[in-house]
Amino acid sequence: DTEVTQTPKHLVMGMTNKKSLKCEQHMGHRAMYWYKQKAKKPPELMFVYSYEKLSINESVPSRFSPECPNSSLLNLHLHALQPEDSALYLCASSQVGTKSDTQYFGPGTRLTVL
Amino acid sequence: DAKTTQPPSMDCAEGRAANLPCNHSTISGNEYVYWYRQIHSQGPQYIIHGLKNNETNEMASLIITEDRKSSTLILPHATLRDTAVYYCIVRVAFRLRNQFYFGTGTSLTVIP
Repeated sequence: DTEVTQTPKHLVMGMTNKKSLKCEQHMGHRAMYWYKQKAKKPPELMFVYSYEKLSINESVPSRFSPECPNSSLLNLHLHALQPEDSALYLCASSQVGTKSDTQYFGPGTRLTVL
Repeated sequence: DAKTTQPPSMDCAEGRAANLPCNHSTISGNEYVYWYRQIHSQGPQYIIHGLKNNETNEMASLIITEDRKSSTLILPHATLRDTAVYYCIVRVAFRLRNQFYFGTGTSLTVIP
């Protein structure tokens, strides 16, 4: 099973709302990733969790707050977002520490901030 | 800090081979080349990867030049369902994670 699931598929929120994106994998992967993708652009790395610890924060504004409650789950908490944060948010997972690790991506959450 | 360059778009006739080039002239010796594709607004889908040798799987072939500065993804018999954006990626391995450096992608259109 190489599936990464993400919920919800679509999310519309106002600038004062608080919402969360969820990501789940059951491949035993110990690294999980959040990417942001704007239209016609490649995915941009936001956060990396390795063994449930945050190992990379690519200078992401604090209105995005990641959480990794266990090795299978990854959340992205959203608060006070701006319209320019509207994008496709992708989650991925991979093994750790092997020479040739493939990242498996979920289908993404399409976020619209009004 | 993109490590790869790709042509922005390409066309290919259905049933013919699609050859997608990628330049990665600054690649280091232990960095892998990965290829993914993304069909409109879906998550990127893994295709193939390699380090030095040419690789083939059920989806595609990957040809890496001897100096490793460029590679070509080959879809042997393109179908309409292969229309997608194809990303050439350099993967850098750190101790507790790997990090993908995406190129800007090639939009491949397969023409009937």
